[in-house]
Amino acid sequence: DGGITQSPKYLFRKEGQNVTLSCEQNLNHDAMYWYRQDPGQGLRLIYYSQIVNDFQKGDIAEGYSVSREKKESFPLTVTSAQKNPTAFYLCASSHEAGNLHFGNGTRLTVT
Amino acid sequence: AQSVAQPEDQVNVAEGNPLTVKCTYSVSGNPYLFWYVQYPNRGLQFLLKYITGDNLVKGSYGFEAEFNKSQTSFHLKKPSALVSDSALYFCAVSLPEYGNKLVFGAGTILRVKS
Repeated sequence: DGGITQSPKYLFRKEGQNVTLSCEQNLNHDAMYWYRQDPGQGLRLIYYSQIVNDFQKGDIAEGYSVSREKKESFPLTVTSAQKNPTAFYLCASSHEAGNLHFGNGTRLTVT
Repeated sequence: AQSVAQPEDQVNVAEGNPLTVKCTYSVSGNPYLFWYVQYPNRGLQFLLKYITGDNLVKGSYGFEAEFNKSQTSFHLKKPSALVSDSALYFCAVSLPEYGNKLVFGAGTILRVKS
């Protein structure tokens, strides 16, 4: 079945550590996105990539980094510079305007 | 700048009754409008979209939405609610000139009681 796989489902880290969230898709979509979800704030765009080896900052990119070396993969690194990293992170891909396919998310807790 | 407002944090409706989840937007130009649904601890699922044409758009699971340009609204509706419709609903807007990035509203919790 085609879809987006995010791993792990739950992730725990100590403050000051970098952590990488995985996102893989087998939908053959060019565009991929990372969103952060916090209660009562909807989804906010962190980074997006419209083609391999290219990506752009979203609205809240500070403290995050990404890479897009393969079409199928768009990993997100949450660095120690991110002030409030505890959140639910959602990866998505699309092949047409606005019709995003989402993974089931990774819940990151930093203590 | 694009923005989306969902004025109700929560909507409660009895099973079998019609439901409406409200959404208004603020953009310059001709936006694309979307509704997504999220079940607990899951990603979002696409429900429907408006690009152009008929103002009434039909989507998945019996949902529909009405685009009203003069009121800049895109309310989600369903004639008869089911308990299984209980979830978190997001309205979103995008503009082609902004690379088709989606801007989401804060979300509305829908609770359908039997």
